[in-house]
Amino acid sequence: GAVVSQHPSRVICKSGTSVKIECRSLDFQATTMFWYRQFPKQSLMLMATSNEGSKATYEQGVEKDKFLINHASLTLSTLTVTSAHPEDSSFYICSAREVRGGREEQFFGPGTRLTVL
Amino acid sequence: AQRVTQPEKLLSVFKGAPVELKCNYSYSGSPELFWYVQYSRQRLQLLLRHISRESIKGFTADLNKGETSFHLKKPFAQEEDSAMYYCALSLGGYQKVTFGTGTKLQVIP
Repeated sequence: GAVVSQHPSRVICKSGTSVKIECRSLDFQATTMFWYRQFPKQSLMLMATSNEGSKATYEQGVEKDKFLINHASLTLSTLTVTSAHPEDSSFYICSAREVRGGREEQFFGPGTRLTVL
Repeated sequence: AQRVTQPEKLLSVFKGAPVELKCNYSYSGSPELFWYVQYSRQRLQLLLRHISRESIKGFTADLNKGETSFHLKKPFAQEEDSAMYYCALSLGGYQKVTFGTGTKLQVIP
């Protein structure tokens, strides 16, 4: 299957700083990528849909000014957590949608563990 | 809004025993249903989707529209099946996927 990478795999930062997480589709082009947040022992919560060349679509309750998403190319989407606080500590997972032969599938990245001190 | 319910957080079965992971959904239309699996220290990956009607690693799942269920089944559990399983729903047409809370399957040797 297709491969999606995330960088960094884990990051620790001080409260008030901003953190950027990259999501790349390595062997396919993805016009749509998704950003999820996963709390311990809980399900994936969709934060936003990232569309190449246009603004991201945020889910209800997700602050777009807090979680900045940029999808500048067909293989890269970035999530920037601005002015991070301890409550932003979580596991962030991206996925990229591949469409092939009229069939679509989401491929997931390995996730990024963010710890805000 | 659509919702996916997985009533069991943990399911423990003995090796060789049948497995059934329950999934119910709420949506009035015709959704697409999926099962995703996450093995220890690995990323989430698609296991199967209802439109494919296929068996993957011995697992099958049948969409029951009357009961709005999409239970995952396997006749004989294997130790390597131990993982976290997520049921998911999409409204189709390349729309977003909504995940259930997940069920941890533990196969006891």
